[in-house]
Amino acid sequence: NAGVMQNPRHLVRRRGQEARLRCSPMKGHSHVYWYRQLPEEGLKFMVYLQKENIIDESGMPKERFSAEFPKEGPSILRIQQVVRGDSAAYFCASSPPRATDTQYFGPGTRLTVL
Amino acid sequence: DQQVKQNSPSLSVQEGRISILNCDYTNSMFDYFLWYKKYPAEGPTFLISISSIKDKNEDGRFTVFLNKSAKHLSLHIVPSQPGDSAVYFCAASPNYGGSQGNLIFGKGTKLSVKP
Repeated sequence: NAGVMQNPRHLVRRRGQEARLRCSPMKGHSHVYWYRQLPEEGLKFMVYLQKENIIDESGMPKERFSAEFPKEGPSILRIQQVVRGDSAAYFCASSPPRATDTQYFGPGTRLTVL
Repeated sequence: DQQVKQNSPSLSVQEGRISILNCDYTNSMFDYFLWYKKYPAEGPTFLISISSIKDKNEDGRFTVFLNKSAKHLSLHIVPSQPGDSAVYFCAASPNYGGSQGNLIFGKGTKLSVKP
C-alpha cells in the first residue's frame, strides 16, 4: 500500500510565478491536509479538505493561496505570484474517514522562490 | 502564541539509555496528542498517540505519558538506538473522533543517540 505521494519533491520558482503542489493520499483515505514548515519551525496547519469540499481553511493566507481536492485526481495546493517568503517545505497528510486525528504525511515539496 | 511547546531544541543520549522528550500545551480543549519522528528531507512519520482519557500508552520501545493537570506529555524511548536520531514533533488535536483535522505542532526536539 503506497504512502502519501507528493510531487514535485523540489520546486524552484521566480518571484511572481505560480507554484502548483500535488498530493495523492493513501489508498482509502478521503481526508487531506496541507501544512507548511518554515526553517527551524514546526509544521503549521494550512487547510483541511475532503473530496470536493474545503472543511477548514483557517490556516491559509487570505491571498494568493488556494487548495482543491477534486472528485478525481490529486489534491492541489496553488500559490499565485510567489514571493520569497513562500519558500518553505509543504507537507500533505491524509487520514481515513474514521480516524481523522492520525494523519500520515507525505515526503513534502520543498519550494524555493528566487 | 505557541499552544504546543517543546522547550528543548536538542537532546543527546547514549545508546542503550533512556531518551525522554517533553512537551507542554496551553489549551485545555486539546484531547488527543501525537508524536511524530522526522528525518531530514522526509515527511513526519507517526510514532504513537494518546487520548486524554488515558495517562499512558505504550508501543514497543516507545511510551507516551500524559499529565493533564500539568498540561504536559512526554515520550520515553528505551533503549535508545542510533537509528532513533531524528527530530521529534509533539502535536495536539482539539477533538477526537470528530476532529477538525487541525493538528498543532511544537517546534520539535532534535534527538542524537550516540553509539
